[in-house]
Amino acid sequence: DTAVSQTPKYLVTQMGNDKSIKCEQNLGHDTMYWYKQDSKKFLKIMFSYNNKELIINETVPNRFSPKSPDKAHLNLHINSLELGDSAVYFCASSSRHEQFFGPGTRLTVL
Amino acid sequence: AQSVAQPEDQVNVAEGNPLTVKCTYSVSGNPYLFWYVQYPNRGLQFLLKYITGDNLVKGSYGFEAEFNKSQTSFHLKKPSALVSDSALYFCAVRGVEGGSYKLIFGSGTRLLVRP
Repeated sequence: DTAVSQTPKYLVTQMGNDKSIKCEQNLGHDTMYWYKQDSKKFLKIMFSYNNKELIINETVPNRFSPKSPDKAHLNLHINSLELGDSAVYFCASSSRHEQFFGPGTRLTVL
Repeated sequence: AQSVAQPEDQVNVAEGNPLTVKCTYSVSGNPYLFWYVQYPNRGLQFLLKYITGDNLVKGSYGFEAEFNKSQTSFHLKKPSALVSDSALYFCAVRGVEGGSYKLIFGSGTRLLVRP
């Protein structure tokens, strides 16, 4: 009964490929997020969705396209992967104040 | 603009000693402040939050934090450190954009507790 789950946990791929990361939450929250943690451990928000609607897009390249089929899921699709996309990607969902994070997906682009 | 600063990249402390991890913030209006902990190869775990009320907030694993409005600080503390507390700690402030909330994180502080 994991609250926020992500798949896969690790993703290794070649430059130029397209890949997806899936996220699901069973907390009944309306709002979900994607964060990126770079190699220096710095965390920055990428997107926020509220009830399947995009609310926040933090000037992320349009190669990144989030998709929310329902409010329990927020998937992240990345086209034409670049070396600089290598990072750990965290999904989160929130109640009124707290955000609950998934375990992260470590993406390595070769 | 809203921001969070964690001035120390690393804090070293001996087991059994008190620890403090510093955080200062800049936000318009009343701040909503959070501390999260990240263990190696794990996601972020919520430790505690300040929304309103008492300036001293108690959280998980014996941690507490003191909200100081005049110094715009929200330092994380624990009276007696454990080796198992060694991890990466993030302070965050809640920002608002487009009617949705987002967390703005500090750069993180690595806590190393030596036996």
